Amino acid sequence: AQTVTQSQPEMSVQEAETVTLSCTYDTSESNYYLFWYKQPPSRQMILVIRQEAYKQQNATENRFSVNFQKAAKSFSLKISDSQLGDTAMYFCAFMKRWGGSEKLVFGKGMKLTVNP
Amino acid sequence: GAGVSQSPSNKVTEKGKDVELRCDPISGHTALYWYRQSLGQGLEFLIYFQGNSAPDKSGLPSDRFSAERTGGSVSTLTIQRTQQEDSAVYLCASSLTSGDEQFFGPGTRLTVL
Repeated sequence: AQTVTQSQPEMSVQEAETVTLSCTYDTSESNYYLFWYKQPPSRQMILVIRQEAYKQQNATENRFSVNFQKAAKSFSLKISDSQLGDTAMYFCAFMKRWGGSEKLVFGKGMKLTVNP
Repeated sequence: GAGVSQSPSNKVTEKGKDVELRCDPISGHTALYWYRQSLGQGLEFLIYFQGNSAPDKSGLPSDRFSAERTGGSVSTLTIQRTQQEDSAVYLCASSLTSGDEQFFGPGTRLTVL
């Protein structure tokens, strides 16, 4: 079964600093998708970044980048130049696909606080 | 609309009552998902709709839960005879097609007294 583990329940960082959020997953599939979602207090889940497992190049989106280590099944998110608006819950997710169906399997989430 | 919308935003009900939660996906999106977010269980998959195919209901926690999607667009999640453990935020998401990015709605917070 696919599982996603986020071992750090909570982190805080000063504005403008860099922070790394860790995520590990377990799967026997060879091709899959990984995601980081952000959930601010407004409750809206927002996609931060997406990685396709067959692509060796790490995905980047502006201040957000990932360190994807396929062999180690690790998918960490780096946030550079942290901003107050980055304060939110962050969820790592794996897309499980089977028999014409699919779903996101989420980690437990990590609460990030950016302090001024 | 520009994004996925859900109604109501908040719902308080008494134990034993039935509730209906609505989701309006992004126009043109063929795939629709329901998830439940609770303190104890985190984010759980409930059900998946893709076009006109039979839905995958494997995540529904009991037969009190059902969902339908009319005309390949709006979806309704119905919970019959609500229990206190049904209290959670119910999130709906849609994607252009299977495997694509899922866009989430703001969720419905259900409280069962």
